[in-house]
Amino acid sequence: EAGVVQSPRYKIIEKKQPVAFWCNPISGHNTLYWYRQNLGQGPELLIRYENEEAVDDSQLPKDRFSAERLKGVDSTLKIQPAELGDSAVYLCASSSWTTDTQYFGPGTRLTVL
Amino acid sequence: QKEVEQDPGPLSVPEGAIVSLNCTYSNSAFQYFMWYRQYSRKGPELLMYTYSSGNKEDGRFTAQVDKSSKYISLFIRDSQPSDSATYLCAMSQIQGAQKLVFGQGTRLTINP
Repeated sequence: EAGVVQSPRYKIIEKKQPVAFWCNPISGHNTLYWYRQNLGQGPELLIRYENEEAVDDSQLPKDRFSAERLKGVDSTLKIQPAELGDSAVYLCASSSWTTDTQYFGPGTRLTVL
Repeated sequence: QKEVEQDPGPLSVPEGAIVSLNCTYSNSAFQYFMWYRQYSRKGPELLMYTYSSGNKEDGRFTAQVDKSSKYISLFIRDSQPSDSATYLCAMSQIQGAQKLVFGQGTRLTINP
C-alpha cells in the first residue's frame, strides 16, 4: 500500500512569491491534515478535512494561506505571498474512521529567502 | 503555557543504554497517548499507543502513562544506533486520530 505522497520535497523561494504544496493521501482515508513543523518543534495543525469539507481551520493564517481538497482526495496548500517566517516543513497526513493514528507524508521543506 | 511540554533535549547516550523520554500536559481531558518517531527528513510514524493510565510494552519500548500526575514516559531498553531520531509525544481527548496535540519533540542520538 502506498503511503502519503507529497510534492515537491523541497522548495526555495524569495519572500512575497507564491508557493503551493500537493498531497495525495492513502487510498480510502477520508480525513486529511496539513501541519506546519518549525525547526525543533512538533507539528502544528493548520487545517483538517473530512472528505472535501474543511472542519478545523482555526490555525490557518487565512490572510495568506489557502487550501482545497477537491473531490475529497488530493489536496493543495497555497501560500501567497510567502514571508520569511513561513520557512518550515509542511506535513500532510491522513487517517480514516477505523485508524487510531495519522499517517504522515515525508513533508515539503520550504525555505523563504 | 503549551498544552503539552516535552524536553527538547538533545539527548545523546551510548549504545545499550536505557533511554527515558518524558512529556507533561495540562489538559486533564486527554485520554489517548501516543509516541511518534521521526527520522531526519521523514514524516512522523506511530511507535506506541496507549489509553488512560498504565504501562504498555512492545519489544524494547515501554510506554507509561500517569494521569494523576499528567505525565507520560517512553523507555527504550538496549538502545541501538537505529533508534537515533526525534521522538514526539502526542495526545488526544477522543478516540481516533482526528485531534492530536503534539509535544515539541526530543532529539535522541545513540552513539555506537
